[in-house]
Amino acid sequence: SQQGEEDPQALSIQEGENATMNCSYKTSINNLQWYRQNSGRGLVHLILIRSNEREKHSGRLRVTLDTSKKSSSLLITASRAADTASYFCATDAEDTGRRALTFGSGTRLQVQP
Amino acid sequence: KAGVTQTPRYLIKTRGQQVTLSCSPISGHRSVSWYQQTPGQGLQFLFEYFSETQRNKGNFPGRFSGRQFSNSRSEMNVSTLELGDSALYLCASSLGGTIYNEQFFGPGTRLTVL
Repeated sequence: SQQGEEDPQALSIQEGENATMNCSYKTSINNLQWYRQNSGRGLVHLILIRSNEREKHSGRLRVTLDTSKKSSSLLITASRAADTASYFCATDAEDTGRRALTFGSGTRLQVQP
Repeated sequence: KAGVTQTPRYLIKTRGQQVTLSCSPISGHRSVSWYQQTPGQGLQFLFEYFSETQRNKGNFPGRFSGRQFSNSRSEMNVSTLELGDSALYLCASSLGGTIYNEQFFGPGTRLTVL
């Protein structure tokens, strides 16, 4: 499977609820990033967390990183209909001796108004 | 600041043809990366250019190539198109390199190969 696998693949919640998405990866990393993509458009950077950080906040977003478990989670609090999008984690995975930004398969979030 | 722009936004080609996609990064950004996004394979890294030099390359055949100009604008070329090349091609720019910095993505070019 790919470096950076998100879980769940799809999530449907009501407006106002919290949404949690998880990302697991395989190799060591220097940092992990989360991006959002609205239907077939470009990605928007949400947050970058470095390997020596455990938690980071940005507005309604909270990201945690557990390097011992090779996993990260993205929490969106008090979700809004406008949060409906696909969310991807990306890691600087090493591949054939070089590090490249590797994206997971994404979580599709649907927030019902 | 203007965002990352990509041209064209939509493209239809037939098998065997070649195509060139263009990307203009945010002013001051020296790193430009390209990605291919398909429903089956997801987002895959194609290559990264920094100051006109290819710094990194993903696992794509030699039919996929790119270049960067002195003004940081970048082009990618796909020769001998195959049906499987149908995808959304995304370009992203950053101040430094892709793996250490926030990337700013363009809207993408949707390529359809018939």
